[in-house]
Amino acid sequence: QKEVEQNSGPLSVPEGAIASLNCTYSDRGSQSFFWYRQYSGKSPELIMFIYSNGDKEDGRFTAQLNKASQYVSLLIRDSQPSDSATYLCVRTGSARQLTFGSGTQLTVLP
Amino acid sequence: IAGITQAPTSQILAAGRRMTLRCTQDMRHNAMYWYRQDLGLGLRLIHYSNTAGTTGKGEVPDGYSVSRANTDDFPLTLASAVPSQTSVYFCASSDSGEGDYGYTFGSGTRLTVV
Repeated sequence: QKEVEQNSGPLSVPEGAIASLNCTYSDRGSQSFFWYRQYSGKSPELIMFIYSNGDKEDGRFTAQLNKASQYVSLLIRDSQPSDSATYLCVRTGSARQLTFGSGTQLTVLP
Repeated sequence: IAGITQAPTSQILAAGRRMTLRCTQDMRHNAMYWYRQDLGLGLRLIHYSNTAGTTGKGEVPDGYSVSRANTDDFPLTLASAVPSQTSVYFCASSDSGEGDYGYTFGSGTRLTVV
């Protein structure tokens, strides 16, 4: 079992809809999580960081963490074509090392 | 320089050749990392350094070596390249502060070993 599991997609949503990206993890001791966005041919860029159970909102993005269910999600409201990218779920580990999921490809259709 | 600079941007390398991928940051971050990214496998940690003068092995260290002589530079060396090392390589750094210590990534090096 991978440490961080994501559905590879592709996930397609119409412009203006809510995109929901999901992630599960195996290490119950994981404390905090990141969501990175990666455009094709580019490097990953940080979108959100969450370490407490519940929701964390930043603009159109909401990260959700449920440690009991070992589940992390990212909601993108009012999706735009510019949101089309691969989204990486990442958990923190020892020595500040990050473990990356393989990513979910999102396409927002105009 | 702003952030992390990686060089070269891309390279085609003959199998058996030695190569060093360069990484320099100007943010005075203590920790630096090398990842490789392969289709369907995501980013996997090769080596890391928590501070100048120290290094550690990640998930896939075989065939690679690193050094951290100072805070700014963290080169990755392939002693004798093999085709399975064809990948996109990302260098990253992070601050040693508490809380949000997300990585800053370089723009990547696309390496093809033939």
